[in-house]
Amino acid sequence: NAGVTQTPKFRILKIGQSMTLQCTQDMNHNYMYWYRQDPGMGLKLIYYSVGAGITDKGEVPNGYNVSRSTTEDFPLRLELAAPSQTSVYFCASSSQGGTGNTIYFGEGSWLTVV
Amino acid sequence: EDKVVQSPLSLVVHEGDTVTLNCSYEVTNFRSLLWYKQEKKAPTFLFMLTSSGIEKKSGRLSSILDKKELFSILNITATQTGDSAVYLCAVTQSSNTGKLIFGQGTTLQVKP
Repeated sequence: NAGVTQTPKFRILKIGQSMTLQCTQDMNHNYMYWYRQDPGMGLKLIYYSVGAGITDKGEVPNGYNVSRSTTEDFPLRLELAAPSQTSVYFCASSSQGGTGNTIYFGEGSWLTVV
Repeated sequence: EDKVVQSPLSLVVHEGDTVTLNCSYEVTNFRSLLWYKQEKKAPTFLFMLTSSGIEKKSGRLSSILDKKELFSILNITATQTGDSAVYLCAVTQSSNTGKLIFGQGTTLQVKP
């Protein structure tokens, strides 16, 4: 069972570079999310999508972009990487939104910007 | 501003102790409160609470919600070293998008 797959797992980026974190789910979920988690903190929502072609901002969207051209994929793009974007990134998906107990998380992507 | 606050931020106990973790929230249109356990990787779901006063229990872990006072507690009895982790509380709203608003987490260390 693949579930939610994120790549890469680890990446070191130089200031000003750009990159895309990939996220794919094979559960045919409509709802997908990107969270970031800074050291010693809880997760904060970056962007989310309620279906293909629909995306919306979360709490901390600045410096990021997303697209949702298919149900399966929800890539997160970092433009002009900054040290403040050093974090762990989690992609998640859900079949029905709602109460949150149907959310599946990916294993995380550790990103360091130097 | 919607917020979720957990206390204490960190806790060190010895095996066999009982711990109580707290989560208070101030959010508009509250729908549910969830507890997660996180061990250096993705959060693992523990409980979802939607109704006041109904205890959810799983082994040595239990949780209850008070919607009048806007808080929840997570109890762990007879703690073991394997309980060492970050415990996260999160809240959803009735917008039905499943977005989670997380607290900052409580780091629990259980010493042998």
